[in-house]
Amino acid sequence: YVLTQPPSVSVAPGQTATITCAGDNIGSRSVHWYQQKPGQAPLLVIYDDSDRPSGVPERFSGSNAWDTATLTITRVEAGDEADFYCQIWESAGDHWLFGAGTKLTVL
Amino acid sequence: EVQVVQSGAEVRKPGESLKISCKTSGYDFTKSWIGWGRQMSGKGLELMGIIYPGDSDTRYAPSFEGQVTISVDRSIRTAYLNWNSLKASDSGMYYCMKLVVRGGRTRYLEHWGQGTLVTVSS
Repeated sequence: YVLTQPPSVSVAPGQTATITCAGDNIGSRSVHWYQQKPGQAPLLVIYDDSDRPSGVPERFSGSNAWDTATLTITRVEAGDEADFYCQIWESAGDHWLFGAGTKLTVL
Repeated sequence: EVQVVQSGAEVRKPGESLKISCKTSGYDFTKSWIGWGRQMSGKGLELMGIIYPGDSDTRYAPSFEGQVTISVDRSIRTAYLNWNSLKASDSGMYYCMKLVVRGGRTRYLEHWGQGTLVTVSS
């Protein structure tokens, strides 16, 4: 099973960034998203498709249906620039899978 | 507040052993899985293995089975990642994470340590 993310997404400040994570029938799985800023450890920003941990701004949201999970960041700020990774857990085989990551650039 | 604090950067020669640590606080250590992950320079994330401190049930990803050992010391709320014989290809950033495991449906990495940089070079 493979999770496919676009290598890069660019967006102007104040606009909306959309980062996708594609996988066969991924809508039937729980998808989680991590943000990793340069030189820092990853941070959980969305879990179980669309839930936000406390402290994560409401500008971050997630959805998951059919073959694509999506992380949406509204009103993008320069400080949002980071690599974003999607992750699922496959019960069959107890596999943890990560996407290869998407670099978000704020223009 | 949950805290996950890892030991500092290490430099070793090939063939040497190494044990890095991860000290936790702010939650019941025995009731949450802990995981170790690797990120090689400029690359993505890999989960190496996980351990349940309550009973030391340990599971390794196929790529890391036999290559590392994960353990815990419940008395000091600390998890460990151990190599008996390092290789240059073990160089990378290693992260300790507190997991959320919810039945057979979902698992994710809720809290992360700051990372431990391991450099293996002759």
